[in-house]
Amino acid sequence: DGGITQSPKYLFRKEGQNVTLSCEQNLNHDAMYWYRQDPGQGLRLIYYSQIVNDFQKGDIAEGYSVSREKKESFPLTVTSAQKNPTAFYLCASSMTALAVYNEQFFGPGTRLTVL
Amino acid sequence: AQKVTQAQTEISVVEKEDVTLDCVYETRDTTYYLFWYKQPPSGELVFLIRRNSFDEQNEISGRYSWNFQKSTSSFNFTITASQVVDSAVYFCALIPGSGNTGKLIFGQGTTLQVKP
Repeated sequence: DGGITQSPKYLFRKEGQNVTLSCEQNLNHDAMYWYRQDPGQGLRLIYYSQIVNDFQKGDIAEGYSVSREKKESFPLTVTSAQKNPTAFYLCASSMTALAVYNEQFFGPGTRLTVL
Repeated sequence: AQKVTQAQTEISVVEKEDVTLDCVYETRDTTYYLFWYKQPPSGELVFLIRRNSFDEQNEISGRYSWNFQKSTSSFNFTITASQVVDSAVYFCALIPGSGNTGKLIFGQGTTLQVKP
């Protein structure tokens, strides 16, 4: 089945550690996105990538890093510089960001908790 | 400013009632795109509808309908004869036509609880 997978589903991190969240898609989509969701709030964009080997900062990129070495993969690293990383992280993809109106398809999310 | 406001934080209805979720947006762009997504308890967002700024036709899909009014910058979502399975968080979102990023600007979400 085509879709987006995220792993792990739950992740616990000690303060000062870097952790990497996985996002893989087999939809052959060009564009991929990372969002953060906090309780009672909408989603906020962390990073996005419109094409392989290129990515751009979103609204809340500080303390996060990404890479886009393959079309199907867009991992997110939460670094120790992110002061409040406990949140629900959602990865999304769309056919192409050149047609900005394309709907985004979302993965099941990773819930990160800092201990 | 580009912004989406969903003033209703939580709504609770009894099964079979109709319910309307409000969405008001702000953008200076003349071309823009509006979306509704559903987030069930599992967490994954499910795409429901997209509307572009040039198409003000209302849309109906089964028990779901959407009312887009540019004059009031609103894109409201109505569920007719609600069911327990409709219980979820619903997000309204906007993609401005300028900037060419495909970035979704989300409202805060409305939690809908449908009681049996």
